[in-house]
Amino acid sequence: GAGVSQSPSNKVTEKGKDVELRCDPISGHTALYWYRQRLGQGLEFLIYFQGNSAPDKSGLPSDRFSAERTGESVSTLTIQRTQQEDSAVYLCASSFTQSRGVTLWGLAMQETQYFGPGTRLLVL
Amino acid sequence: AQSVTQPDIHITVSEGASLELRCNYSYGATPYLFWYVQSPGQGLQLLLKYFSGDTLVQGIKGFEAEFKRSQSSFNLRKPSVHWSDAAEYFCVGGGYNKLIFGAGTRLAVHP
Repeated sequence: GAGVSQSPSNKVTEKGKDVELRCDPISGHTALYWYRQRLGQGLEFLIYFQGNSAPDKSGLPSDRFSAERTGESVSTLTIQRTQQEDSAVYLCASSFTQSRGVTLWGLAMQETQYFGPGTRLLVL
Repeated sequence: AQSVTQPDIHITVSEGASLELRCNYSYGATPYLFWYVQSPGQGLQLLLKYFSGDTLVQGIKGFEAEFKRSQSSFNLRKPSVHWSDAAEYFCVGGGYNKLIFGAGTRLAVHP
């Protein structure tokens, strides 16, 4: 079946504008993650959705960042009033877990995450 | 600031040779440490993890890693590399509900 897809693949925006990034997880995957990767740096966890549970937002860097997910389907990551330091590749990943309500911590120990191709965001 | 550093972006080894991938961390307390592997077109898979106790950790696929507090390191090793080990390897550190990924090391294996 299809893998994780993300759109757009590239986005150039002006400082101060809002952007919305989309992620389509693998069908049937209950968990969805957003990460950010700045140039030359490692992945930075942003937010995690598991089924209909409240998302783990502990990684969001500021209140300009938010994300939504409808059920176990598409997720959108919104960045308001973008800043130049928001320039990065934003990666989405999904995984299947039979454990409802497990924490990100628990998943880190057990799950295989499937990554999308990413959205490259450039804020001018 | 908390960080995880993988000094080597690319490493090439011959099949059958030994392998060591370096990882250094900077963390306020003893971190929890992981190594993940991502093969081309595949998902991110957990190889091994360290929480506490024995500093030499055994993982899947013949990998092991050693936690050295004095060097702030958690290097991944394998005595004999197989062609199927060609992939990207991520060292990850963190605490409860926080994961910090290293930038990754891409491993190429020559026949």
